[in-house]
Amino acid sequence: QKEVEQNSGPLSVPEGAIASLNCTYSDRGSQSFFWYRQYSGKSPELIMSIYSNGDKEDGRFTAQLNKASQYVSLLIRDSQPSDSATYLCAVNNSGKSTFGDGTTLTVKP
Amino acid sequence: GAVVSQHPSRVICKSGTSVKIECRSLDFQATTMFWYRQFPKQSLMLMATSNEGSKATYEQGVEKDKFLINHASLTLSTLTVTSAHPEDSSFYICSARVGGGTGELFFGEGSRLTVL
Repeated sequence: QKEVEQNSGPLSVPEGAIASLNCTYSDRGSQSFFWYRQYSGKSPELIMSIYSNGDKEDGRFTAQLNKASQYVSLLIRDSQPSDSATYLCAVNNSGKSTFGDGTTLTVKP
Repeated sequence: GAVVSQHPSRVICKSGTSVKIECRSLDFQATTMFWYRQFPKQSLMLMATSNEGSKATYEQGVEKDKFLINHASLTLSTLTVTSAHPEDSSFYICSARVGGGTGELFFGEGSRLTVL
């Protein structure tokens, strides 16, 4: 079992729809959780960080964390073609970050 | 967010040569930096943790004599790929964390190495 698991996709949604990205992790001691967006050929850029159970909203993005279920998700509302990228889930424990393999999202105009 | 700069962005070299990649934190001091490698359509793999003023910590399976890391100042870490071979061709990305160990990582632009 991988430490951080994501559906590889590809996930395809129409423009304006909600995209839902999911991530599970195995280390119950994990303390902080992040979503990164990576365009093809580029390095990752931070989209959201979340540290406690519940929802955290930032613009069109909402991160959800459930530590009991070891689950973290990212919702993208009003998806745009520019959101088409690979989304990486990262889990941090005591300074060590572990990344999932990423979910590729395609938003079709 | 914090700015991490990486140079060069692309490098092509002949097999057997050595290549140095620089990673700088531009607006903060980074006592720790991280070096990742990413092959096409794969996720980030942590190669090593670079510690200012001390030896780097390498992940299992990463050859420390092949991937030399130097972190001589609070704003600069370098990765040298020694005697590069075609199988070392990859996307190398450095990152640094602002604040404590639970904070987010900020990534450099990445360096694409092609070994002929």
